[in-house]
Amino acid sequence: KAGVTQTPRYLIKTRGQQVTLSCSPISGHRSVSWYQQTPGQGLQFLFEYFSETQRNKGNFPGRFSGRQFSNSRSEMNVSTLELGDSALYLCASSFASQTGVSETQYFGPGTRLLVL
Amino acid sequence: SQKIEQNSEALNIQEGKTATLTCNYTNYSPAYLQWYRQDPGRGPVFLLLIRENEKEKRKERLKVTFDTTLKQSLFHITASQPADSATYLCALDESGGSYIPTFGRGTSLIVHP
Repeated sequence: KAGVTQTPRYLIKTRGQQVTLSCSPISGHRSVSWYQQTPGQGLQFLFEYFSETQRNKGNFPGRFSGRQFSNSRSEMNVSTLELGDSALYLCASSFASQTGVSETQYFGPGTRLLVL
Repeated sequence: SQKIEQNSEALNIQEGKTATLTCNYTNYSPAYLQWYRQDPGRGPVFLLLIRENEKEKRKERLKVTFDTTLKQSLFHITASQPADSATYLCALDESGGSYIPTFGRGTSLIVHP
């Protein structure tokens, strides 16, 4: 089975711009979660999508948004970029049931975003 | 407030020894706890999961213990090898109804040949 793929792998943007990151989950996985990882804060949960619906959300401002398509692929968008948004953005997929029990997260390689 | 604490200092050990990493938590009632390995510039990779009613779990050279009274999990790598050098993250999920994992910041393990 192919693993989780994320595009692009690297991105450089300037403050005020917006960015869209893409994630393709493992085939058959219906849950996609997004995380932000920085040296100072560690791995922070952004949101989780299941069957095209945002099911869980972390504590991030509204500038961070996402969506999931019918084929389970997901995108996240960050608008009005700030310097502090520079981070590794990780996507993870899992075979979550309707009740939300998902035990193993399979992570992609991440997108490294640098905001100048 | 809720906290997951992993030793921020790197753990340096000699090849062949047992590495023991600690994950402490406060104000959580985890349904289960997971350990992940992360190499530089890559996403975390799942290693082991242990449920609240389990004391110990093993997989090859890996062993995880879970003490809900002490609010602590220990992660052991026996006969460590330089290839085991990485950052190890623990993650808790306490909801049971929807998966919102909370990750510790990880501990870096360096195994010297």
